[in-house]
Amino acid sequence: DVKVTQSSRYLVKRTGEKVFLECVQDMDHENMFWYRQDPGLGLRLIYFSYDVKMKEKGDIPEGYSVSREKKERFSLILESASTNQTSMYLCASSFWGNSAYEQYFGPGTRLTVT
Amino acid sequence: KQEVTQIPAALSVPEGENLVLNCSFTDSAIYNLQWFRQDPGKGLTSLLLIQSSQREQTSGRLNASLDKSSGRSTLYIAASQPGDSATYLCAALMDSNYQLIWGAGTKLIIKP
Repeated sequence: DVKVTQSSRYLVKRTGEKVFLECVQDMDHENMFWYRQDPGLGLRLIYFSYDVKMKEKGDIPEGYSVSREKKERFSLILESASTNQTSMYLCASSFWGNSAYEQYFGPGTRLTVT
Repeated sequence: KQEVTQIPAALSVPEGENLVLNCSFTDSAIYNLQWFRQDPGKGLTSLLLIQSSQREQTSGRLNASLDKSSGRSTLYIAASQPGDSATYLCAALMDSNYQLIWGAGTKLIIKP
């Protein structure tokens, strides 16, 4: 079974803090994704990566950056957290050999910025 | 730009009923359509995936259909149970960039 883990289930940070959200997958997947989920808006893609050290902006990259130094790990960074970044953050991974491009999700991190 | 819509946003039905959840999309150039389940405060669990060349997929009491020409997919749940209570999301994988476009979800409550 594919396993995608996220470093924290719940996180509370103060405005202006630098925040790191970590995601690790154990199936050697090339592709990794970061989404945020807000009530009534569905999931929105923040950033994704198709390879180590490679990143592409999604639909809402402003205020975020990412890092992929190793294939199994994809980090989401909030340089200076703001209250409007309070949300559920979901990480996912997939691989090219899967013709369905099916994405596998982690359990999510609920971030609160006060 | 692709938009995926799920109506209704919430649904409450008695246990044992058969029910249908709806998902519509504006751009028919999709690679596949996926249905997910999300329990409160949890991540997403993949339920069914329908390739663009397929009409339906079945898994246990769940059946998902896809009609690309009309821009619609439905998730049919037979003999609903309280354990089916969750939010159900559909997502369209685009042909152009293989990115998922998500609906906002339908929150389903099955009353015992």
